[in-house]
Amino acid sequence: DTEVTQTPKHLVMGMTNKKSLKCEQHMGHRAMYWYKQKAKKPPELMFVYSYEKLSINESVPSRFSPECPNSSLLNLHLHALQPEDSALYLCASSQVGVENTEAFFGQGTRLTVV
Amino acid sequence: GEDVEQSLFLSVREGDSSVINCTYTDSSSTYLYWYKQEPGAGLQLLTYIFSNMDMKQDQRLTVLLNKKDKHLSLRIADTQTGDSAIYFCAERRNKLVFGAGTILRVKS
Repeated sequence: DTEVTQTPKHLVMGMTNKKSLKCEQHMGHRAMYWYKQKAKKPPELMFVYSYEKLSINESVPSRFSPECPNSSLLNLHLHALQPEDSALYLCASSQVGVENTEAFFGQGTRLTVV
Repeated sequence: GEDVEQSLFLSVREGDSSVINCTYTDSSSTYLYWYKQEPGAGLQLLTYIFSNMDMKQDQRLTVLLNKKDKHLSLRIADTQTGDSAIYFCAERRNKLVFGAGTILRVKS
């Protein structure tokens, strides 16, 4: 199983809503990532979890709150988002380490903030 | 993407070869990657190359690495319409750093 599964595939939310994006993998990877991708742009790293602990936060606004409840799951809690936060949110996982670790990406959640 | 540069667009005819180029700046990068992204989809890892290699071939894909010039290329032989997508090169530092992506359009 080399899949990273993200739910939901599409999400429309208002600026006052609270929602969560979910990501799941069963490859035994202990590094999990959230990326944000705007149209026709490369993915931009938001957060990295290593062994279920937050290891990198790329100065992401606090309206995005990541959570890694166990080694297979990664959540991104959303609250009071702005329309400019509309984007494709990609989850990825890999083995831990700087040396070669293939990062496997999910299909993404396309988020629209209205 | 910071410090990883790619040409933005490439158009080829079906059956021709495609060559997508990338330059990077961090000479300490040990692995370099090519990802494919189809419209509305996530990223699919196509291939990668270790920095002590010059070339890697995998079916229709050939990766060439010129470490001296920090230049990476992806050659797709016998390009098909299904190869139309955005191709990202990426280097691994403490995180993956992506290039801006090259849009490949295959004309039938």
